[in-house]
Amino acid sequence: AQTVTQSQPEMSVQEAETVTLSCTYDTSESDYYLFWYKQPPSRQMILVIRQEAYKQQNATENRFSVNFQKAAKSFSLKISDSQLGDAAMYFCAYRSWSGGSNYKLTFGKGTLLTVNP
Amino acid sequence: EAGVVQSPRYKIIEKKQPVAFWCNPISGHNTLYWYRQNLGQGPELLIRYENEEAVDDSQLPKDRFSAERLKGVDSTLKIQPAELGDSAVYLCASSSPFTGGPGELFFGEGSRLTVL
Repeated sequence: AQTVTQSQPEMSVQEAETVTLSCTYDTSESDYYLFWYKQPPSRQMILVIRQEAYKQQNATENRFSVNFQKAAKSFSLKISDSQLGDAAMYFCAYRSWSGGSNYKLTFGKGTLLTVNP
Repeated sequence: EAGVVQSPRYKIIEKKQPVAFWCNPISGHNTLYWYRQNLGQGPELLIRYENEEAVDDSQLPKDRFSAERLKGVDSTLKIQPAELGDSAVYLCASSSPFTGGPGELFFGEGSRLTVL
């Protein structure tokens, strides 16, 4: 079974600064997806960024980028120019490439990000 | 376009009482998920539906939990009887291969259950 580990329960960053959230995972599969989801307080969880394992190029979405190290099974999220609205719980998640019973997302425990003005 | 709608947002009950949660997915999304999120934890899948068929319910505690998705649209998750350990946020999500990208789930705001 796949596992996802987020070793930082809480992180804080000053507004306009850069912060990196860590995630490691364990899998025996070669093809899979990795995700970062954001869960603001009392709001629904939304997708921040996705990485396909077969792609060597790291995904970027505006101020959000990832550092995907497949051999090390590491998938960190970098938030540049942090804004107050980035404050949320961030979850790293894994999904198998194939469907069927492996279709589910496996989430880490989350990292609570605080943005200080 | 409306997102995933869940109700109630909050529910407080005494142990051994029944409770039900309702979810209306995004229109056209054939896949529906129920996740449970315990305090300080990531969501864990309880059940996944493809249309009206439950295709993965391996993590659903079947002695007290039940779910249905009649007509392949709305879904209801029921707990009877509730136990103290059932206190959590119950998240509903939906997805479609024609919306968003591979593996993207669209979540509702969740139903927070407190069992006293």
